[in-house]
Amino acid sequence: DADVTQTPRNRITKTGKRIMLECSQTKGHDRMYWYRQDPGLGLRLIYYSFDVKDINKGEISDGYSVSRQAQAKFSLSLESAIPNQTALYFCATSDRRGSGGVDTQYFGPGTRLTVL
Amino acid sequence: RKEVEQDPGPFNVPEGATVAFNCTYSNSASQSFFWYRQDCRKEPKLLMSVYSSGNEDGRFTAQLNRASQYISLLIRDSKLSDSATYLCVVNPSTSGTYKYIFGTGTRLKVLA
Repeated sequence: DADVTQTPRNRITKTGKRIMLECSQTKGHDRMYWYRQDPGLGLRLIYYSFDVKDINKGEISDGYSVSRQAQAKFSLSLESAIPNQTALYFCATSDRRGSGGVDTQYFGPGTRLTVL
Repeated sequence: RKEVEQDPGPFNVPEGATVAFNCTYSNSASQSFFWYRQDCRKEPKLLMSVYSSGNEDGRFTAQLNRASQYISLLIRDSKLSDSATYLCVVNPSTSGTYKYIFGTGTRLKVLA
């Protein structure tokens, strides 16, 4: 089984709809992240969480909200979706206890979201 | 100037060739550096971390040049399966927050 899973994998929705993307991990990592990827722009950080009680905005948090329901679960919500939120969304986890103390990120398979 | 810059490519090389990518970063205090590989429409996967002394993993060699603020990735004896986009990732933090800056990627196509 994959260590980081995302649901749904693909979603088409209409402008104004509320959408939730879910992420679960079995790696036991404390840190979780949400990114979006657009062609030519690379990955951009939306929100990140270092533990259940810690939520931080990334560089492009406007129009998004998150919930860290448990150490293993981190959800991203679009309260009122708009077409320019069409993108590939990735969840990631990290834990600096491994990899020689270097904090290394591991990504889920992604959610392809289209807002019409 | 972008925080992390990469040549987008594509780099088209024949099988067996050696190819090198560079990535420049703007924050001289950056602490951690990585190369990730991303196949089309798939998630990025860690290829290797980049250490100050340079490091090698099979056909892949990563180097860090702090003075000139760039990291490099060298791929020897290219395989068709190496075709992918290679992302340079920099962690600019010295302590506390852990935020990663991603380059836009360099696309490699290995040709038969």
